[in-house]
Amino acid sequence: GAGVSQSPSNKVTEKGKDVELRCDPISGHTALYWYRQSLGQGLEFLIYFQGNSAPDKSGLPSDRFSAERTGGSVSTLTIQRTQQEDSAVYLCASSPSAQRAGELFFGEGSRLTVL
Amino acid sequence: GESVGLHLPTLSVQEGDNSIINCAYSNSASDYFIWYKQESGKGPQFIIDIRSNMDKRQGQRVTVLLNKTVKHLSLQIAATQPGDSAVYFCAENRDTGRRALTFGSGTRLQVQP
Repeated sequence: GAGVSQSPSNKVTEKGKDVELRCDPISGHTALYWYRQSLGQGLEFLIYFQGNSAPDKSGLPSDRFSAERTGGSVSTLTIQRTQQEDSAVYLCASSPSAQRAGELFFGEGSRLTVL
Repeated sequence: GESVGLHLPTLSVQEGDNSIINCAYSNSASDYFIWYKQESGKGPQFIIDIRSNMDKRQGQRVTVLLNKTVKHLSLQIAATQPGDSAVYFCAENRDTGRRALTFGSGTRLQVQP
């Protein structure tokens, strides 16, 4: 498809397990973002990739969270030793360039439930 | 502290009326503001943006107003339709080298038929 694709759409896991969430951005978009949205809340910034620059990891809530972006395209967000407070919708977005940083194209998110 | 927030968590309007969604920000250094619409089960969708050197910007049925004096942002939707029912977020982007948007907590717009 032409939009941002995320998988899985839903993930239920047990506390303490590791999870990986995948994001396929729009082809040609150089910027990629991960946000987290808890129920009824706004979006919390997690991490930002721009081209070949070092990622901005300032939003990651703990060292259990990490993300990588391979080949400037697909990104994976990994949460190790999941906790119940990690339950949220994890949204990925891409943007054509840093100069258009406000126009983010979001995927539909990966809903994570930690039991 | 720095924040982007909203005055009303839920706004209910009649179909055909105009809607106004408000947002306050506290950082005078903010120079770029964006409105997003999020329908149930979907990711946010870009609506309109405005830079701090402007007071008003119009799109299709939507207008964003920026009042830098009182650090206030609003989104006006003309002739509101049932398809406009969603949660609306304002967001800001400060040109500090970090290009990550800061989002407010959202306002739910309910359009009554």
